[in-house]
Parts: sequence; C-alpha cells; structure tokens
Amino acid sequence: DTEVTQTPKHLVMGMTNKKSLKCEQHMGHRAMYWYKQKAKKPPELMFVYSYEKLSINESVPSRFSPECPNSSLLNLHLHALQPEDSALYLCASSQGTGVSYEQYFGPGTRLTVT
Amino acid sequence: GENVEQHPSTLSVQEGDSAVIKCTYSDSASNYFPWYKQELGKRPQLIIDIRSNVGEKKDQRIAVTLNKTAKHFSLHITETQPEDSAVYFCAASQENRDDKIIFGKGTRLHILP
Repeated sequence: DTEVTQTPKHLVMGMTNKKSLKCEQHMGHRAMYWYKQKAKKPPELMFVYSYEKLSINESVPSRFSPECPNSSLLNLHLHALQPEDSALYLCASSQGTGVSYEQYFGPGTRLTVT
Repeated sequence: GENVEQHPSTLSVQEGDSAVIKCTYSDSASNYFPWYKQELGKRPQLIIDIRSNVGEKKDQRIAVTLNKTAKHFSLHITETQPEDSAVYFCAASQENRDDKIIFGKGTRLHILP
C-alpha cells in the first residue's frame, strides 16, 4: 500500500460542532503532517508528528487538536471552528523525519464551516 | 525565517513549447529544494528536487537548476503536454534541521492546444 488516505472527503460543520478528520498510511512512515490549504494558496504546515510524538506545532489555535494514536493513524479534532477555517486539510507522511524525505500527501478533506 | 518568492503566478504556453518557473529564497542556509505539482482538485505530488551540492538535475522533460550565489532556482519543462497543466509549487528547506518546508505561492501553468 503506497497511499495516504483521508476521511471524510468533504465535511460541513457548524461553529458549535465537534468533528474529527482522519488520516491513515500503511507505508511504515515515521513522520506525519497536517497542512491547511486555502484556495489558490500553497499548503501551510500546521503540525508534525515524528515517531508518534508532536514535534512541530505552528502556533495553531487550540480549536485544532491533533492526535497520533499509533504510527499509522493521525487525527485532527475540530471544535468551535470559525468560517475562516474553511479550507482543504491535507495529511502527509514521510519515511523519516527531515525534509529531504519525500512527503506523500493524502487527497485531503474539504472542510466548510457554516 | 525563510521566505520563498515564486514567479510568474500564471503561465500559459503553447503545447510543445517550454515552460520556466523561477523561485528565489532568502535564507542562505537552505539546502534542499523540492518542487510539487498539484492538479486541479488533487493532492500535491513531488516531481523533482535538488540539493545545494548540485547545480542541475534532470528527469526526462523536467529539469531544475540552482544558483546558490544568487539564491534562486528554476523549474524547466520541455515539450509541454496537456497533462502538464497544474499548479506548481517550489519550496525551500534546511535538510536535517527540522521538518518544515517553506512553499512559494505557486504558479498556475496552462498548456494551450
């Protein structure tokens, strides 16, 4: 399996809802990432997990809460989001830590906050 | 911190012609430069990368050049085809320092029939 999968593909949620995004890879990769991408913009790094431990948090608001239950799974818990949080949320993984390892992106979850 | 500028923001070329996308970076310590292609509605995918110990790298119709002195690098696509239409992102980072890639703002490439 050489793919990163993400669920759901689309999500619409109200500002008072709690939801979770899920990411999975079975390539044995040890680093996993969450990115946020607005339309016509590059991906913006949110979090990096290295060997299941949070190694980078790019000053992301606490309404986004990442979780890495095991080496294959990465979740992003969402609570009390704002309309400006609407975006494509991309998960990625790489074989090792360090930027020269190719990052494999998932297809993304398109989130709309109403 | 690192800042990556990318030009042009939009590029239209006739099928079969060449396309060139240029990027500059600010941090002289950056030493790894990947390029990502993102087709409409799809995920970004790495297409080529270059490290600072080489000046050029080629993979079939795609080549990347790096000028460390001037702190700029470029993507060259020859014999363009319709499937080359996409947004291309350059990026810069410091290998073995952290896990952060700094992306340019992207170039939307249109291949005209």
